[in-house]
Amino acid sequence: DAKTTQPTSMDCAEGRAANLPCNHSTISGNEYVYWYRQIHSQGPQYIIHGLKNNETNEMASLIITEDRKSSTLILPHATLRDTAVYYCIVRVGNTGKLIFGQGTTLQVKP
Amino acid sequence: DGGITQSPKYLFRKEGQNVTLSCEQNLNHDAMYWYRQDPGQGLRLIYYSQIVNDFQKGDIAEGYSVSREKKESFPLTVTSAQKNPTAFYLCASMNTGSEGTSNTGELFFGEGSRLTVL
Repeated sequence: DAKTTQPTSMDCAEGRAANLPCNHSTISGNEYVYWYRQIHSQGPQYIIHGLKNNETNEMASLIITEDRKSSTLILPHATLRDTAVYYCIVRVGNTGKLIFGQGTTLQVKP
Repeated sequence: DGGITQSPKYLFRKEGQNVTLSCEQNLNHDAMYWYRQDPGQGLRLIYYSQIVNDFQKGDIAEGYSVSREKKESFPLTVTSAQKNPTAFYLCASMNTGSEGTSNTGELFFGEGSRLTVL
């Protein structure tokens, strides 16, 4: 099963883009990359996911490198409410097993 | 509204007692999961179930037990064998239907149950 590696913490100025990296160098061809975020003492919230292609939704963009060994979550205009712990995780096909890493604590500052 | 419900939200127990945490979902999802979270840490998988009457151990199953008698329900029992049970417990479910249908692989989480052993 693939593991993910993320920086422990990051800061971002309000209104600027937040770029959160994730390394998943051992990822297999059928493993999806998912991003979730968790605000203190709440259940994690789904943000976005992808397999090979870059993805965009109303919350964020996901950029996956061509070799799929790393990805970047982009919050285009960070707000104070985006302050949270962001998790990059992988899912093995339809096995359902998801492996969470330690996450990145993003602090958005005024 | 469809969703996933955990209860109780807060629970205290004495050492040596078993306690069962409830998790119910009305999303018609096949797969359900239990995670544990310790302060400042990520989520660790305890047990998961992809279908009724079947479940698999996650990374930290020792001291825990589960059952999956109904699709909607996946209760977790924290037994007295669990050495450090004080933690935040999160239940989740997922639609594991075939890709290209309604399966986004998105996990839906409950609001969690905080267990404190006195």
